Amino acid sequence: GAGVSQTPSNKVTEKGKYVELRCDPISGHTALYWYRQSLGQGPEFLIYFQGTGAADDSGLPNDRFFAVRPEGSVSTLKIQRTERGDSAVYLCASSLSGTSTDTQYFGPGTRLTVL
Amino acid sequence: KQEVTQIPAALSVPEGENLVLNCSFTDSAIYNLQWFRQDPGKGLTSLLLIQSSQREQTSGRLNASLDKSSGRSTLYIAASQPGDSATYLCAVKNDRRVSGTYKYIFGTGTRLKVLA
Repeated sequence: GAGVSQTPSNKVTEKGKYVELRCDPISGHTALYWYRQSLGQGPEFLIYFQGTGAADDSGLPNDRFFAVRPEGSVSTLKIQRTERGDSAVYLCASSLSGTSTDTQYFGPGTRLTVL
Repeated sequence: KQEVTQIPAALSVPEGENLVLNCSFTDSAIYNLQWFRQDPGKGLTSLLLIQSSQREQTSGRLNASLDKSSGRSTLYIAASQPGDSATYLCAVKNDRRVSGTYKYIFGTGTRLKVLA
């Protein structure tokens, strides 16, 4: 089936605004991950969902960041009161069940620019 | 805390050269190591996955090796082509007992440019 998709592909917003980034995982994948990639850096883990629940949110930088996955499929990453330092590419990945041998499949990312 | 380092940060080579990209990690308690390719403005494409019990994996002109005890992996690209130009990322999947989640920890990447 289709791969991981993310929308929008690009988002430009002003400092202080609220943004939502969407991830559609591969159908049937119960595990979903969000990563953030700043310019010139490798992706950094933000949060991991197993089904509907956030099993590990240890990578979220602060309480302005929040993510949901209400039906165990689509996930939305929400950023409140955006700051210029939030500018980055936000990557989503999904895997079949989140086990050690699972392959994580990455989406194309959403490039967020905070002016 | 697991840290992944990639050397060199950037590399420019003439077409046809064989080249080696290096990756090192500080904690050997990993399940696997994966090499990804990232083209500008694009997502990640998986190249090779090496399980912790394996020593190497090969796909076409690519060969990746893993020395878990010394915390090192290399990606060997044979007969490089301009189409190989991209950023190459190394990532390790930590033992869940260490990090609690099978998440990837990435290096900062090697930007490769192959000149025609």
